[in-house]
Amino acid sequence: EVQLVESGGGLVKPGGSLRLSCAASGFTFSTYTMNWVRQAPGKGLEWVSSISSSSSYIHYADSLKGRFSISRDNAKNSLYVQMNSLRAEDTAVYYCARGLSTSGWDPSAFGYWGQGTLVTVSS
Amino acid sequence: QSALTQPASVSGSPGQSITISCTGTSSDVGGYNSVSWYQQHPGKAPKLMIYDVSNRPSGVSNRFSGSKSGNTASLTISGLQAEDEADYYCSSYTSSSNWVFGGGTKLTVL
Repeated sequence: EVQLVESGGGLVKPGGSLRLSCAASGFTFSTYTMNWVRQAPGKGLEWVSSISSSSSYIHYADSLKGRFSISRDNAKNSLYVQMNSLRAEDTAVYYCARGLSTSGWDPSAFGYWGQGTLVTVSS
Repeated sequence: QSALTQPASVSGSPGQSITISCTGTSSDVGGYNSVSWYQQHPGKAPKLMIYDVSNRPSGVSNRFSGSKSGNTASLTISGLQAEDEADYYCSSYTSSSNWVFGGGTKLTVL
């Protein structure tokens, strides 16, 4: 069974940093594109970033470039996002999502999702 | 990248069919077959319902179907059931190697 478990969320002050983690199990992590998607309270889904299976391809939402950094450790079956210079508008539930197919870079869909971790940016 | 355009809400009675539209541009919906649809119940994580325009993942009811014409994709749910009441989001891969979501549609089963 595919499982994705996010952690690392919490309350952080504006301008602060936070690192989220996603622990994966139930599939061969190293063969899938992985993604972060967020959802502000009461709002819609927003794609954050994606990383290919070997970390060769990394893309970010234009609004986040320079502040967020995605990475993965295939040996630890883990996905990460380092979030710096956090703003109130970054307050959201952050979901880890797995690509659908085992291609190096999968532009298809977000096949499996974790339950999310809440990040609150407030003074 | 602008969000894809979806109606804010749709409704239907049990047993009826409804269609949710998702309009983008030639740089996303119109240019790629990587259009997907997600169902989200309150307080839950999204669930993939349709991928690559019209394909259903294993386990998703065949009451859900997808299509695309030009820059507009559509999700149709036939034989509406109370459990279908949820928010639905479309998503598309883009020419910038990014993904973009629609604003979401709240489906109410009357």
